[in-house]
Amino acid sequence: GAGVSQSPRYKVAKRGQDVALRCDPISGHVSLFWYQQALGQGPEFLTYFQNEAQLDKSGLPSDRFFAERPEGSVSTLKIQRTQQEDSAVYLCASSLVGSSGPVRYNEQFFGPGTRLTVL
Amino acid sequence: GDSVTQMEGPVTLSEEAFLTINCTYTATGYPSLFWYVQYPGEGLQLLLKATKADDKGSNKGFEATYRKETTSFHLEKGSVQVSDSAVYFCALSDRDTDKLIFGTGTRLQVFP
Repeated sequence: GAGVSQSPRYKVAKRGQDVALRCDPISGHVSLFWYQQALGQGPEFLTYFQNEAQLDKSGLPSDRFFAERPEGSVSTLKIQRTQQEDSAVYLCASSLVGSSGPVRYNEQFFGPGTRLTVL
Repeated sequence: GDSVTQMEGPVTLSEEAFLTINCTYTATGYPSLFWYVQYPGEGLQLLLKATKADDKGSNKGFEATYRKETTSFHLEKGSVQVSDSAVYFCALSDRDTDKLIFGTGTRLQVFP
């Protein structure tokens, strides 16, 4: 079956532009996570959805970052007024059951990421 | 807050050499522990995991044991191959939130 897909794979934006990054999780996966990976670093948590509910957005670096998952499937990460420090790879991951499920942890499957470069 | 520390790379080895990549963690409670691998040009893949103390995760010849007393989860492989060249990330998952906290990654380069 299809894995997690993300689009676009590469995005170049001029400073100040708004961008929207899309994530298509594995069908049926309840949980969806966004991570930011700066060059040479490990991924850092941004936000988490269980179905359409955004349960944790503690990792969003500023109010310029906004994420949504209105129908509990596809998710969009939007960055307004992009800055050079926003340049990174944005990773999306999905897992089958949320933290309230009977299994305490399910594997997160990662997409290929969107590489954002802000000039 | 919770954190993961792993040895800096790059780690450069000859084929068939023994590999150890150190990973230690700081966490409240009892996290699950993971090793993820990122091959060149590919996305992150789960390599192995352990969910409680003394568990050993293993896959593709790699092993790691959850050591609560030393808060460690070191990755080992007895004989590396050129195809193991990749970046390896140690991570923990909080039992309440499921979000992953990653180390900075260790690049492994294996030469024939």
